[in-house]
Amino acid sequence: ETGVTQSPTHLIKTRGQQVTLRCSSQSGHNTVSWYQQALGQGPQFIFQYYREEENGRGNFPPRFSGLQFPNYSSELNVNALELDDSALYLCASSQIGLASHEQFFGPGTRLTVL
Amino acid sequence: ELKVEQNPLFLSMQEGKNYTIYCNYSTTSDRLYWYRQDPGKSLESLFVLLSNGAVKQEGRLMASLDTKARLSTLHITAAVHDLSATYFCAVDILNDMRFGAGTRLTVKP
Repeated sequence: ETGVTQSPTHLIKTRGQQVTLRCSSQSGHNTVSWYQQALGQGPQFIFQYYREEENGRGNFPPRFSGLQFPNYSSELNVNALELDDSALYLCASSQIGLASHEQFFGPGTRLTVL
Repeated sequence: ELKVEQNPLFLSMQEGKNYTIYCNYSTTSDRLYWYRQDPGKSLESLFVLLSNGAVKQEGRLMASLDTKARLSTLHITAAVHDLSATYFCAVDILNDMRFGAGTRLTVKP
């Protein structure tokens, strides 16, 4: 069984640029959720994708957007980067249809915006 | 709005001691999760609690859920240094997973 993978591991961008982060879900999972974790804080829910459609969204502006592909992998795109976007970005995969809906997290992408 | 509050936020304890971390949430939910995070690492799933009165144990950690009180506890028994980490509870409401701020646990010899 393959776990959740994310790429890249680290990324440095400058303010105003755009970034794309990638996530491959655990085998057998059909749902991907994205989180932003600022230093010293708990993860904040960005959005969730199920069957290639957005299935829930947290309190993030439209410049945060995503995609899910037929193989259930996913991308997180952030436009017009701001300094406050510097954080660890985590994706988690799960299987809708299971009672637990337990989410398994990837290793994260650390984004630094200068 | 769903709020998830953990306390304490910081916990320093000696090896061999017992302690409890509390997680309160503001909206009815039947799904509560506990995660562990080591510095610079991702989140590791510890427990999934799905019903009122659920209790789960793994090693020195035991988690419980009281949905009527909207309270979950994570009890640490005879702490060891390897348990030093940040512990998060999270509540799932309609595909929106809300995390507490985390409890940073340090176990000292």
